[in-house]
Amino acid sequence: GNSVTQMEGPVTLSEEAFLTINCTYTATGYPSLFWYVQYPGEGLQLLLKATKADDKGSNKGFEATYRKETTSFHLEKGSVQVSDSAVYFCALRNNDMRFGAGTRLTVKP
Amino acid sequence: ETGVTQTPRHLVMGMTNKKSLKCEQHLGHNAMYWYKQSAKKPLELMFVYNFKEQTENNSVPSRFSPECPNSSHLFLHLHTLQPEDSALYLCASSQDPRGTGTVYGYTFGSGTRLTVV
Repeated sequence: GNSVTQMEGPVTLSEEAFLTINCTYTATGYPSLFWYVQYPGEGLQLLLKATKADDKGSNKGFEATYRKETTSFHLEKGSVQVSDSAVYFCALRNNDMRFGAGTRLTVKP
Repeated sequence: ETGVTQTPRHLVMGMTNKKSLKCEQHLGHNAMYWYKQSAKKPLELMFVYNFKEQTENNSVPSRFSPECPNSSHLFLHLHTLQPEDSALYLCASSQDPRGTGTVYGYTFGSGTRLTVV
């Protein structure tokens, strides 16, 4: 079946540190891959996506590359800010969306 | 504002009450979803509607009753809930997943924070 596994949190970083949140997937066919972000008290917002192998999604300084050979879609940002503190969800879509469990990120000044 | 509006934002209800959650989208999407988000648990998909027809019900207790009168509106009717039903209820919409629809993500509302007392 289709599923997503992402690294457990919480992750705590200092401002300007480098961020990586790992995400691997299992899927049949050719799914699209997504990262969502959830700020406190809000719903999930689409952060970036990639729809085919080797595509790179990017937004607000975040990047992720669709790696079919390693079935991965790791989220990276070169320099995090306090405002990036949120929960991040990796997801794949073949038909309906499958979400990972979420990774809580806290960035300290 | 995401384009998906959920009301109310907060709801406190007793176990014998009946209430409804409302979700509205005017994005031209034809699939709508209800999710439950509890503390320290993964997102739980509850119901899926495609073109107003329910296509998925993930073993949700009958005290939760969905209604989709048209492609723009989705309701979740609640009655005789339990304290463990307290959670954030999220509505989402998307393009039809058939064909190339899977390249589209979901658009979520801000959720209704439900507390059952």
